[in-house]
Parts: sequence; C-alpha cells; structure tokens
Amino acid sequence: DTGVSQDPRHKITKRGQNVTFRCDPISEHNRLYWYRQTLGQGPEFLTYFQNEAQLEKSRLLSDRFSAERPKGSFSTLEIQRTEQGDSAMYLCASSPRQGDTEAFFGQGTRLTVV
Amino acid sequence: QKEVEQDPGPLSVPEGAIVSLNCTYSNSAFQYFMWYRQYSRKGPELLMYTYSSGNKEDGRFTAQVDKSSKYISLFIRDSQPSDSATYLCAMSADQAGTALIFGKGTTLSVSS
Repeated sequence: DTGVSQDPRHKITKRGQNVTFRCDPISEHNRLYWYRQTLGQGPEFLTYFQNEAQLEKSRLLSDRFSAERPKGSFSTLEIQRTEQGDSAMYLCASSPRQGDTEAFFGQGTRLTVV
Repeated sequence: QKEVEQDPGPLSVPEGAIVSLNCTYSNSAFQYFMWYRQYSRKGPELLMYTYSSGNKEDGRFTAQVDKSSKYISLFIRDSQPSDSATYLCAMSADQAGTALIFGKGTTLSVSS
C-alpha cells in the first residue's frame, strides 16, 4: 500500500457543471477526511468520516457539496453547479485508528473552474 | 484573530543553516501538534507529531511545544536544498482527530 490515493489529479470544468472526486485511503484506516486548500493558505477542514458514518461537516461545506463513504473504504466528494470560487486543491487524508490524530494526506485533486 | 498564526515568509537560508519555524495559537484546548511539509502542487507530508508540551527529535528535525505560551516550533538542523518547501503547522483538540486546524504555512528556500 503506497498511501492515500486521489483521482483525478487535475480537473478543469466549466462553471455550472458537476464534478466528482475519489479518495482511496490507506488500507484499514477507518477515519477519512476531506480538506480544501487555496493558494497561500493552509488546508481547511470540510468533512470527516469514521467508517461509513459522516460525523462532522464544516460550515464551508455548502449544500452544493456532498461526500459519501458507502462501504467505509473509498470516499467521493461531489460538487454540484460549480462556481469559480470552488477552484482549489481538494485534499483527502486518513488516520489509522481511534486514538491517533495523525492524518496522512493524498496528493490532492486540483480543481479549476472556468 | 485566527486560531493558528504562522508567518508565511518567505524564509531564505544558506545550505547548512539551522532553521526555526514557529506558530502561535489561541485555543488552549489544543493538545495534538503536527508539522507537515508540502512541496509545490503536492499533498502535505507528515513530518512530526507531538502530544502536549515538550520536545521531540527525529533526525535533523526537532519539534517543541510550549503550551503555557501557546507556541510551537520546528527546528531543522543542517538544512539542505531538498528542505525547500512550505511548512505547515497543524493542531487539534480532539484525540479522535476530527479536524486539524492549520496555519497558512511558511515557505522555506535553502540555497546551495
């Protein structure tokens, strides 16, 4: 296992289109996180899963955003009706087990909305 | 005031220098502290993880946490050009690791 995997690495879309990103966490990591990072800023928390349960959502996660982790393994993040302000790097991270707060990040999906 | 403050730099040093990177924070509930390294257009890579106050050393890297001052530091000894990256501090109050709060990152350039 080589780490957290994200797909696609880059996505260019027109404003108003829907996009979906995928994250495959490190095997047997039961916690999965989505973050968003814009240029010159640190990552900002979006949402968190423990197994298949979505336990926390940031107020940054508007109604146009939805995340799922149906079988407690991979996760998807969908953005509907994209806006130019959605342009950012979307990062996925996973943690190994309850009690450890270390998070290991994937390489991210860079979204550009034109 | 943001919860975590980090000087964005840029910080430029010659090869072999000792580098000091710092963050301050306002939330006294933070107990878990991390430093990540991020190369351009890549995801953050975990460097150091510390619980509560104290020092932790790993090779050329030393992390320090002073909870009384709400101040954390990362020291890099014998800096190398390959250390040129953005360094992000991150912290959390919750052992279950629900949400990490990040600083903006400090951009470091080590010249040979």
